[in-house]
Amino acid sequence: LAKTTQPISMDSYEGQEVNITCSHNNIATNDYITWYQQFPSQGPRFIIQGYKTKVTNEVASLFIPADRKSSTLSLPRVSLSDTAVYYCLVGDRNTGFQKLVFGTGTRLLVSP
Amino acid sequence: DAGVIQSPRHEVTEMGQEVTLRCKPISGHDYLFWYRQTMMRGLELLIYFNNNVPIDDSGMPEDRFSAKMPNASFSTLKIQPSEPRDSAVYFCASSTPGTDTQYFGPGTRLTVL
Repeated sequence: LAKTTQPISMDSYEGQEVNITCSHNNIATNDYITWYQQFPSQGPRFIIQGYKTKVTNEVASLFIPADRKSSTLSLPRVSLSDTAVYYCLVGDRNTGFQKLVFGTGTRLLVSP
Repeated sequence: DAGVIQSPRHEVTEMGQEVTLRCKPISGHDYLFWYRQTMMRGLELLIYFNNNVPIDDSGMPEDRFSAKMPNASFSTLKIQPSEPRDSAVYFCASSTPGTDTQYFGPGTRLTVL
């Protein structure tokens, strides 16, 4: 089971770039890295997924070093509405979704 | 697309009563998941189905919990009898064929008195 470790919480201000790092030292060869965002009273929402190097979409970027033992979710120019809990998951559906554990996540607070 | 639909959104019941939570996944998705979220334990995967067949129910806390998926567009999670410690938000999610991405419903907030 690829255990993930994230900071419990982070603080930022509007307009800043936020980088949240996730450690996953025993990631398996076929595992993908997926990040979700959860607002209060809502279900988690998919943000981004990657396997190696860098992935970018309209919301965020995901940086994965060559050894894949960690990954960094980058949120450019955060706003108050980015205040949420961010989860890093590591796994591969072919080996069972029970591996895709949400963990405690990182609580991001964006202030004015 | 309407997304994953769950009902009811809120449920308040008394200890010992039967509770049934309902979920309609996104059309065309082949996996369906039931999660429970509490402050103490976070988000826990209870059970998931693939093409209406239960694949892994190792997360179901005890025999009081059961889940069914009679067809591709409907699933239920039943708790009988309910206990106060079952109070939580229960989420249903579904997944697109060939990917790990899960799409979550709005959740059902269950309170057992």
